[in-house]
Amino acid sequence: DQQVKQNSPSLSVQEGRISILNCDYTNSMFDYFLWYKKYPAEGPTFLISISSIKDKNEDGRFTVFLNKSAKHLSLHIVPSQPGDSAVYFCAASADSNYQLIWGAGTKLIIKP
Amino acid sequence: DAGITQSPRHKVTETGTPVTLRCHQTENHRYMYWYRQDPGHGLRLIHYSYGVKDTDKGEVSDGYSVSRSKTEDFLLTLESATSSQTSVYFCAISESGYYNEQFFGPGTRLTVL
Repeated sequence: DQQVKQNSPSLSVQEGRISILNCDYTNSMFDYFLWYKKYPAEGPTFLISISSIKDKNEDGRFTVFLNKSAKHLSLHIVPSQPGDSAVYFCAASADSNYQLIWGAGTKLIIKP
Repeated sequence: DAGITQSPRHKVTETGTPVTLRCHQTENHRYMYWYRQDPGHGLRLIHYSYGVKDTDKGEVSDGYSVSRSKTEDFLLTLESATSSQTSVYFCAISESGYYNEQFFGPGTRLTVL
């Protein structure tokens, strides 16, 4: 029973355009969400987070949107750059629990 | 980058042998975690620690044990390795357990033949 789902295993986007990565969750107790980026043979690196009291958080080219009623979050990358090619994971946690629950990841490919 | 190292980085072992993976941090963070990553599953939490000698189970703890005798070191032990434990193992640290990003080590690729 996957509580955090990333339904697109891969996504291909032209350099300079917007990349939109999606994540759905089923547990209404989740109140903190994070996005990580992972290059091959490296550990994941933290990108951006959002708590459930917000519906948007922005950091440079990265913006995360949270729609609590739809149990959906998305990561927007504008403009997309070649170095953004990586696997992106969303993760979620509930106030009562230390554990992060992870999606399976989406491989983003930025085409020149 | 957070100071997290993992050793070994690669290991090949045989079924039934014990294996210990080490995570070492220089950040003095209270929380430490062990994850495994498998294709199609994202990361899954094995065990975590919220202080010296304080540990708890995660989602996939069967077949694994951990120990933390010092703030900086968190050991993951496979008492008797099985082929299903072939995976990439990541250690992570965080300052607090809630509303706090985790920082990851470079990973250990373990192959159990």
